[in-house]
Amino acid sequence: NAGVMQNPRHLVRRRGQEARLRCSPMKGHSHVYWYRQLPEEGLKFMVYLQKENIIDESGMPKERFSAEFPKEGPSILRIQQVVRGDSAAYFCASSPEGQGAGYTFGSGTRLTVV
Amino acid sequence: SQKIEQNSEALNIQEGKTATLTCNYTNYSPAYLQWYRQDPGRGPVFLLLIRENEKEKRKERLKVTFDTTLKQSLFHITASQPADSATYLCALVPDTGNQFYFGTGTSLTVIP
Repeated sequence: NAGVMQNPRHLVRRRGQEARLRCSPMKGHSHVYWYRQLPEEGLKFMVYLQKENIIDESGMPKERFSAEFPKEGPSILRIQQVVRGDSAAYFCASSPEGQGAGYTFGSGTRLTVV
Repeated sequence: SQKIEQNSEALNIQEGKTATLTCNYTNYSPAYLQWYRQDPGRGPVFLLLIRENEKEKRKERLKVTFDTTLKQSLFHITASQPADSATYLCALVPDTGNQFYFGTGTSLTVIP
């Protein structure tokens, strides 16, 4: 069991470019969450998805950010027209069906906008 | 507004001693609370979960308490080892909603 796989580990983008972050959940996990971690700050919830459905996107910025979890393939967090303030570590986590379980986190994607 | 506070200062302790980390919260009604460990450049790793109706939970050298009256959780590592050095995060899971609310973490260093 490979755990939660995120790629790339590091991503450098120029201002105005697009960033695509990928996450493959643990085998058997149907719930995917994206969190953002800024330096000296806690993890902040962005979005919660199940296959083909966005369940809760209350933490997503209104513009430029989108997420999907297609029937086949990994979950994608997409940031359009990146700005310097988007530089952060983005973590994906997955959990099995139902509440009461801890998350399994990936190692994160560190996005740097130059 | 909602707030989660963990030890603001980094914690340094001698090997073999017990480390105690605190997590205080306001304006939440957590259904349960979790503790995670995070090493530099890595994702958090789940350690323990405690429900609102549980007072204490243990796992090997780890112990968590949860006092919903004081709105506080304590996380203890007994017989600490240098390998326990990491940042420890608490996360609250409210009784409604889908997201976890994380504290900023406490950095623990165990000195040999």
